[in-house]
Amino acid sequence: GQQVMQIPQYQHVQEGEDFTTYCNSSTTLSNIQWYKQRPGGHPVFLIQLVKSGEVKKQKRLTFQFGEAKKNSSLHITATQTTDVGTYFCAGPESGNEKLTFGTGTRLTIIP
Amino acid sequence: NAGVTQTPKFQVLKTGQSMTLQCAQDMNHEYMSWYRQDPGMGLRLIHYSVGAGITDQGEVPNGYNVSRSTTEDFPLRLLSAAPSQTSVYFCASSLTSSRQPQHFGDGTRLSIL
Repeated sequence: GQQVMQIPQYQHVQEGEDFTTYCNSSTTLSNIQWYKQRPGGHPVFLIQLVKSGEVKKQKRLTFQFGEAKKNSSLHITATQTTDVGTYFCAGPESGNEKLTFGTGTRLTIIP
Repeated sequence: NAGVTQTPKFQVLKTGQSMTLQCAQDMNHEYMSWYRQDPGMGLRLIHYSVGAGITDQGEVPNGYNVSRSTTEDFPLRLLSAAPSQTSVYFCASSLTSSRQPQHFGDGTRLSIL
């Protein structure tokens, strides 16, 4: 079945530093979804990318979808304490309605 | 709108016991799914449903049953609980498919002794 990996698994940064997490799928994706989960909370949808090479921005967050639609990245500029949490990518499998989540990157901020 | 509601929030079971985790949504969503979350393993799909009367297996379906008799409800049944099923369980829903944003419930924290 489809596998979605994320690196790194953990990232500790000083407040104000940038942060990037990378997502790689074993198969071509129709779209890529990104979610954020705060400690003790549930995943919350951030954004969806559909087109090859697509780039979307949400304030300090920049999302990219690779040209081959098999990889994606999330970049946060000048991290703040509110960015703490685990970031997941997720991709639907083709041919069925399964949604596969990546392993997640847990971001902690050192004030 | 309450969104996706999961009950109970916490549960402790003994090995061999059975129980049902409840999930209900009031958004008229057709697509519903169940995930389990274990440390370091992300979210793994257990079962999903594309509409009332239709269910299918996800990545880790063994030991779990589901049914979808109404659009609103998608209960997850553990037939004979095992310690390996200790996890946090999340229910999610979307308008029609896995290709749309998923709305998650608050989760059920389940411990099997």
